[in-house]
Amino acid sequence: SQKIEQNSEALNIQEGKTATLTCNYTNYSPAYLQWYRQDPGRGPVFLLLIRENEKEKRKERLKVTFDTTLKQSLFHITASQPADSATYLCALDMDSNYQLIWGAGTKLIIKP
Amino acid sequence: GAVVSQHPSWVICKSGTSVKIECRSLDFQATTMFWYRQFPKQSLMLMATSNEGSKATYEQGVEKDKFLINHASLTLSTLTVTSAHPEDSSFYICSAVIAGGNEQFFGPGTRLTVL
Repeated sequence: SQKIEQNSEALNIQEGKTATLTCNYTNYSPAYLQWYRQDPGRGPVFLLLIRENEKEKRKERLKVTFDTTLKQSLFHITASQPADSATYLCALDMDSNYQLIWGAGTKLIIKP
Repeated sequence: GAVVSQHPSWVICKSGTSVKIECRSLDFQATTMFWYRQFPKQSLMLMATSNEGSKATYEQGVEKDKFLINHASLTLSTLTVTSAHPEDSSFYICSAVIAGGNEQFFGPGTRLTVL
């Protein structure tokens, strides 16, 4: 079955630097790969979606890459701010049927 | 746009009682809603997929008689935890998909504590 790996260790980044989070999967590539942000005690918030045939997607300070050869997606936040501190989840939509397979998330801490 | 609300945001109940959680899409119609539970520092676990006007599809290991789901309209789905026990204590989150879209819009979650 499909497994998703995200760094379980918290990622500490200095304010202003670029934060890079990793999402690796084990089996065949999904139709879509999505990134969400989750704050403590809150539901996730959708950030970006990238399709299987796309290499890169950008939205303001966010950038997502998708490498189906490496079976990996990278999520970048440039010019990071303390307000970017949260847990970031990646999720795979294997068959375009809306059901998502979720990673456990990586906690990002941006230090001022 | 694409706002999803949940009610209540938290609930404490006695063991053996039933608790109903509502999930509403406020500014769009959601033909499909999902119910998740999440334990501390763990990933979201899909419990069931709820389609308007039809029976919910439950994930393996989720008791359909214990977690009753009703998707009576295009903007409302409810999850009822029946005969709740302390092990049912968790964070329950719903999400909805806009027709034609792929991203899920999540509610703020409901913290259930069963004493």
